[in-house]
Amino acid sequence: EAGVVQSPRYKIIEKKQPVAFWCNPISGHNTLYWYLQNLGQGPELLIRYENEEAVDDSQLPKDRFSAERLKGVDSTLKIQPAELGDSAVYLCASAASGANVLTFGAGSRLTVL
Amino acid sequence: EDKVVQSPLSLVVHEGDTVTLNCSYEVTNFRSLLWYKQEKKAPTFLFMLTSSGIEKKSGRLSSILDKKELFSILNITATQTGDSAIYLCAALHSNYQLIWGAGTKLIIKP
Repeated sequence: EAGVVQSPRYKIIEKKQPVAFWCNPISGHNTLYWYLQNLGQGPELLIRYENEEAVDDSQLPKDRFSAERLKGVDSTLKIQPAELGDSAVYLCASAASGANVLTFGAGSRLTVL
Repeated sequence: EDKVVQSPLSLVVHEGDTVTLNCSYEVTNFRSLLWYKQEKKAPTFLFMLTSSGIEKKSGRLSSILDKKELFSILNITATQTGDSAIYLCAALHSNYQLIWGAGTKLIIKP
């Protein structure tokens, strides 16, 4: 069974540029999460989807961050414009509905110069 | 405010030693406690603990939860260099939000 697939694995951009990350969850997993992880810290939730509905986006900085999961499967996280402080690893995770265990993708490491 | 605190933040031991990692939590409507191992990439699942006093074991790793004192420990016996990683614990809220600790960075020296 394929795990959670994320791309790109690494991205280096200059500040004020846009960037997008893509996530394909495990087949059948209705719940999808986007996390931000800074060095030396635990993951911080950005947004949680149940199917195509964003059920918790309270931590998403909506002035520059956006996310979508149009068909309830793949998801895209976008930052526009990127700032220096956005340099971090962006993790996608998925879970079956109501399940307690998340499976994480490999993450997308963003460096903003 | 819900929070999870892990200790120590970092730990350096020699191969063969036994280590104990701590995770305390203050979470309203607590559901479960999860442990993950994070090496260079994404966290990988180790254990989920829901009931007090029941040890979960996987090879040299074991973990237990105390819901009265609000903490969990992760034990690793006969450590190997491959155990070097960041160990994260997270408390699962009844609304399925995960509240993460900052992690314990474990380094095993040969």
